[in-house]
Amino acid sequence: GEDVEQSLFLSVREGDSSVINCTYTDSSSTYLYWYKQEPGAGLQLLTYIFSNMDMKQDQRLTVLLNKKDKHLSLRIADTQTGDSAIYFCAERRYNFNKFYFGSGTKLNVKP
Amino acid sequence: GAVVSQHPSWVICKSGTSVKIECRSLDFQATTMFWYRQFPKQSLMLMATSNEGSKATYEQGVEKDKFLINHASLTLSTLTVTSAHPEDSSFYICSAIVGGRSSYEQYFGPGTRLTVT
Repeated sequence: GEDVEQSLFLSVREGDSSVINCTYTDSSSTYLYWYKQEPGAGLQLLTYIFSNMDMKQDQRLTVLLNKKDKHLSLRIADTQTGDSAIYFCAERRYNFNKFYFGSGTKLNVKP
Repeated sequence: GAVVSQHPSWVICKSGTSVKIECRSLDFQATTMFWYRQFPKQSLMLMATSNEGSKATYEQGVEKDKFLINHASLTLSTLTVTSAHPEDSSFYICSAIVGGRSSYEQYFGPGTRLTVT
């Protein structure tokens, strides 16, 4: 299937950690991505993880991949107000250049 | 880093007219570009895949004759919305895969807001 699912909203306080979750259905996915979209703007690539990895850390961002459960998460440490945006997970299928996107999670960071 | 630009950033047109949106890769050659459509508070819907020098591949349900895509060079793809109607109003985003390197990175343009009156 082509379903990539995310929860629609997440609200956290500034300084807390945020965890955004994503599930996908296609076991042939090779790369999994997290993108950030600010209002009225395009998508900014945050990070990605190859399907044979379990974890990837990049400064405040930690990506965890559970391939058995087809579950991907993005943890943002020390969340700031500037992190408020919509976060999309996306998967790239084996042998295809197409990317399938989740519905996006709107992160609201309260001061 | 890889930068993708779009022009115009927003456009208002009258029903029945055609609108062209340009997508450019500024500092790299893009053998493959994608066109997406995004409705308010919704995810991106892939419209078509555009390869330089060949015809675009459209996703199911996307009208080829209405959304004309041309990928004339390795740095430019255009999307023309022909005979636009109010239901075509949307946010159109292009993206490109960096050619000559591993193609796992996809970079997005800033989007074009189309409003058809």
